[in-house]
Amino acid sequence: NAGVTQTPKFRVLKTGQSMTLLCAQDMNHEYMYWYRQDPGMGLRLIHYSVGEGTTAKGEVPDGYNVSRLKKQNFLLGLESAAPSQTSVYFCASNRNSYEQYFGPGTRLTVT
Amino acid sequence: KNEVEQSPQNLTAQEGEFITINCSYSVGISALHWLQQHPGGGIVSLFMLSSGKKKHGRLIATINIQEKHSSLHITASHPRDSAVYICAVRNSNYQLIWGAGTKLIIKP
Repeated sequence: NAGVTQTPKFRVLKTGQSMTLLCAQDMNHEYMYWYRQDPGMGLRLIHYSVGEGTTAKGEVPDGYNVSRLKKQNFLLGLESAAPSQTSVYFCASNRNSYEQYFGPGTRLTVT
Repeated sequence: KNEVEQSPQNLTAQEGEFITINCSYSVGISALHWLQQHPGGGIVSLFMLSSGKKKHGRLIATINIQEKHSSLHITASHPRDSAVYICAVRNSNYQLIWGAGTKLIIKP
């Protein structure tokens, strides 16, 4: 199994540009999550999904949209990037009430 | 006040020392997780526990539900244990609430 993979690993955007981060898992997990991690802070939940076709807001959802059209994929979109969205983004997945598996992270810089 | 507090924030120790990292939380939980994040950034789940104690190699995690407290212990610490250790609690909505992490450095 590849586990949880994220694409891309690095990206530099200019303010106002848009992009989509892709998270894929091959473990048939129901739950998927997008987090951001800023220096000196813990992970903060952006959006999550409890199953195909469903999404919900987390702690810091503003400026982001998500979609879960297929069970194995969870997409995170930035419609108009801002410097405040410079961060490392982690995707994770798990079965109900089991431990989460994390992707390697995407380092995004918005200039 | 954060819902999940870890202490210490930073810890430097010599190789071989016994390490303890503490986590206190103020919300109702269904489970508590300990995770490790290496300098390269990858995050690995170490333990998930809802009661008692778990052991894996040199790592031991304990939780006291009544006191809303958990500890992560490392025996015979080694420089490769240097990492950030994160405590996170799972609430009733199956969301994780994260502590800020404890940065551990083990010197040879």
